[in-house]
Amino acid sequence: AQSVTQLGSHVSVSEGALVLLRCNYSSSVPPYLFWYVQYPNQGLQLLLKYTSAATLVKGINGFEAEFKKSETSFHLTKPSAHMSDAAEYFCAVSDRNFNKFYFGSGTKLNVKP
Amino acid sequence: DAGITQSPRHKVTETGTPVTLRCHQTENHRYMYWYRQDPGHGLRLIHYSYGVKDTDKGEVSDGYSVSRSKTEDFLLTLESATSSQTSVYFCAISESRDSPLDTQYFGPGTRLTVL
Repeated sequence: AQSVTQLGSHVSVSEGALVLLRCNYSSSVPPYLFWYVQYPNQGLQLLLKYTSAATLVKGINGFEAEFKKSETSFHLTKPSAHMSDAAEYFCAVSDRNFNKFYFGSGTKLNVKP
Repeated sequence: DAGITQSPRHKVTETGTPVTLRCHQTENHRYMYWYRQDPGHGLRLIHYSYGVKDTDKGEVSDGYSVSRSKTEDFLLTLESATSSQTSVYFCAISESRDSPLDTQYFGPGTRLTVL
């Protein structure tokens, strides 16, 4: 089965700084990889999805993620953080062998003024 | 917006009582899921359904049961609630009718407290 590792349960950046949230998956190339965002007291919202069409995926709110097969990674980036980006971010992969989704444990992003 | 609602949104109950949470969707999605979210654990799958009366267990199914008698409703029951089941519960649907691997969309969640 897949496992998803998000390095850093808490990340703090200054407003205007680069955001980098890390995600690694464990095994064979998944059919899909996802990043979701969760604002306080809300459900998860899809930020972006990788489907093998392109290794660099652009999402909403200026976020993008790059799929790197050699590194089994799918890191999320944003060039310039905004206060409204403060939220928890989850990486997820789907596993063809088990027909299931697997979520990372989440990274809380804090944006300092 | 996948048209997913959850009820109740908040519930406080006592240990040993049964509790049923409801997930309702309006767009005829085939695959539905129940997750629980706890700090440090991300989302963990409790049960899922791939059609009316077709359900299967997830990774943390002990103490939970589900039913799906209609396409639009997926019920999660805690047969005898325990304090370890205090959590936030999310329902989700799969965007694709044919594959459970595609994007999942989530409901707003139910915050359950078991005293």
